[in-house]
Amino acid sequence: EPEVTQTPSHQVTQMGQEVILRCVPISNHLYFYWYRQILGQKVEFLVSFYNNEISEKSEIFDDQFSVERPDGSNFTLKIRSTKLEDSAMYFCASEGQGTNEKLFFGSGTQLSVL
Amino acid sequence: QQPVQSPQAVILREGEDAVINCSSSKALYSVHWYRQKHGEAPVFLMILLKGGEQKGHDKISASFNEKKQQSSLYLTASQLSYSGTYFCGYGNNRLAFGKGNQVVVIP
Repeated sequence: EPEVTQTPSHQVTQMGQEVILRCVPISNHLYFYWYRQILGQKVEFLVSFYNNEISEKSEIFDDQFSVERPDGSNFTLKIRSTKLEDSAMYFCASEGQGTNEKLFFGSGTQLSVL
Repeated sequence: QQPVQSPQAVILREGEDAVINCSSSKALYSVHWYRQKHGEAPVFLMILLKGGEQKGHDKISASFNEKKQQSSLYLTASQLSYSGTYFCGYGNNRLAFGKGNQVVVIP
C-alpha cells in the first residue's frame, strides 16, 4: 500500500528555535493535513491544504505555524518560535481525489521542545 | 466541535463483544473510524456515509444513524489485535476526532 513518509522521526529543539517538519504525501493525492497529538491525548486537527493553499485551520494553528508545498512533492510544517507546549507527535496525512476518502497517516515526528 | 466518544475505556477478554459509541451535537453527513495502537499512527478502519448504512472491517462493523447523530462501532469476537484506541471523526477538509475509546483485549 502507498505510504506517507515523515522526517525526521524525532526532533529535539530549544524553546524559541524554528523547526521544520517534513512530509512526502502519496503522489497522486490532492489533500494534505497536519495533526498533532500530545502524549496520551486525542489527535488534534491543525490545518488542511489543497491546491497550494490552506483550506481550513484550527485555533491551534496560529501565526507561529505555517505550511508549504515547496516543490510539488514535499509538504512542510514550520513552527517559527517553538514553545514548550508545542511538544507533541505531529502527524501528516494525505487524502486522495475528493472528500470523504480515507486519510493515510504518516508515522509521525515526535517533537520535543526543551 | 468534536465528537463525543463513550465509554472512555473498555476491557474485554478475547472472544467477547463490545460496542463503542460516537455522537455529535451537530448534523453528521459522514463518520470516519480509525484505530491507533500505542506509538503508531492512526489507521483507517471505515467511513460511513449518510443513509444509516453499516460497514464492516474484518469482525468490526459500524452503524451510522444520522437522525440520532451518532455512530457505533461493534467489536465482535474480539481478538488481541483489536487492542488500541479507536477514534471517530467527522467533517470535510478538517476531520475532527473525538478523544477516543481505549480498548484493551486480554487473553
